[in-house]
Amino acid sequence: GESVGLHLPTLSVQEGDNSIINCAYSNSASDYFIWYKQESGKGPQFIIDIRSNMDKRQGQRVTVLLNKTVKHLSLQIAATQPGDSAVYFCAEKAEGSARQLTFGSGTQLTVLP
Amino acid sequence: NAGVTQTPKFRVLKTGQSMTLLCAQDMNHEYMYWYRQDPGMGLRLIHYSVGEGTTAKGEVPDGYNVSRLKKQNFLLGLESAAPSQTSVYFCASSRTRTEKLFFGSGTQLSVL
Repeated sequence: GESVGLHLPTLSVQEGDNSIINCAYSNSASDYFIWYKQESGKGPQFIIDIRSNMDKRQGQRVTVLLNKTVKHLSLQIAATQPGDSAVYFCAEKAEGSARQLTFGSGTQLTVLP
Repeated sequence: NAGVTQTPKFRVLKTGQSMTLLCAQDMNHEYMYWYRQDPGMGLRLIHYSVGEGTTAKGEVPDGYNVSRLKKQNFLLGLESAAPSQTSVYFCASSRTRTEKLFFGSGTQLSVL
């Protein structure tokens, strides 16, 4: 069946460094991908999304890269700040199917002072 | 603009009790969703709705019922709570099927 997984459950980075969070997916029909940030005790918050007709999209301090060949998605956070400490989820769906968004299990990002 | 609002924020139930979680959105979104989140796991879809008066099953629908009598509200019911339903429940909404979801702040439910 379909699955969305993350390579590492935890990631620690020094404040000011860049962070890279990875995500693998298995459904070759997936064509819409989203990254969410979830702080402790809060609901997931949208960060950035990308459709399969693109391989890179940039936001404020964040970049999402999509490699459809190897079914891999990454979220890059530039100049990581303490406020970036959270769990990050990737999610995917195939827009042509009735299946709703499928979420990965998340990566805990910890920013060290 | 409140976005997606969930009530209550916390609830403790005894096994066999029933309850209803309320979700309200003020963005005029067509789609609404109920997810549960368990430790170490991602969000799993319970039920969803594609518009007023409609509901559909998600990945883990057993033991739950939903209703969407008004476009802005989506109710999640537990008729006979079980300890396996101890979880954090999130409601979400989206304008269309292919756009991003907006989430509420969650309901922590414990079933003893």
